[in-house]
Amino acid sequence: AQSVTQLDSHVSVSEGTPVLLRCNYSSSYSPSLFWYVQHPNKGLQLLLKYTSAATLVKGINGFEAEFKKSETSFHLTKPSAHMSDAAEYFCVVSATGRRALTFGSGTRLQVQP
Amino acid sequence: DGGITQSPKYLFRKEGQNVTLSCEQNLNHDAMYWYRQDPGQGLRLIYYSQIVNDFQKGDIAEGYSVSREKKESFPLTVTSAQKNPTAFYLCASSIDLGQFAGNEQFFGPGTRLTVL
Repeated sequence: AQSVTQLDSHVSVSEGTPVLLRCNYSSSYSPSLFWYVQHPNKGLQLLLKYTSAATLVKGINGFEAEFKKSETSFHLTKPSAHMSDAAEYFCVVSATGRRALTFGSGTRLQVQP
Repeated sequence: DGGITQSPKYLFRKEGQNVTLSCEQNLNHDAMYWYRQDPGQGLRLIYYSQIVNDFQKGDIAEGYSVSREKKESFPLTVTSAQKNPTAFYLCASSIDLGQFAGNEQFFGPGTRLTVL
């Protein structure tokens, strides 16, 4: 079985300060992990993915995530938040042979001016 | 310009009516998926299809039906048997299903269904 836990349902930061969105996973298989972003009433856009290569993954818009197997974590970070980063973020796990993705419940990021 | 289109963007249904949501992709992907999203929740899988003329139930298939007659199209019908259909519906596609777990899914813009 596989599951994803996003530890914060809401995160609020000031513009220009760092962003940290936390994600823990469990998987019986070697997982692939993704972060998706969703702006209001829009579809999901892939930010980055981990597929057993480098453990530090760089994505679009300055985001990056580090895969830590010992901690079963895949936290998303960005050094400096921008107003346009305000959105819902989903951590997602997939495993070879599994039929589809398993989504976390999402973290809503607010960016204050 | 490759991508996934969903129509309509907004849909209103009276109780007891069936409605069909459209999903089309020109990415030449074999696998397609339908998800339902409710406020404050992640996405839940309704149906998925690995190839034409084949589809499988996801976690919440009751009250829904699908067809896959063409590779590029995967319409979802919300039937009157679905007791709480008001939600945001997202269609997605990927190169294939499961052979390589690192294949990300590409999402359409979604359809918001409201039951009056």
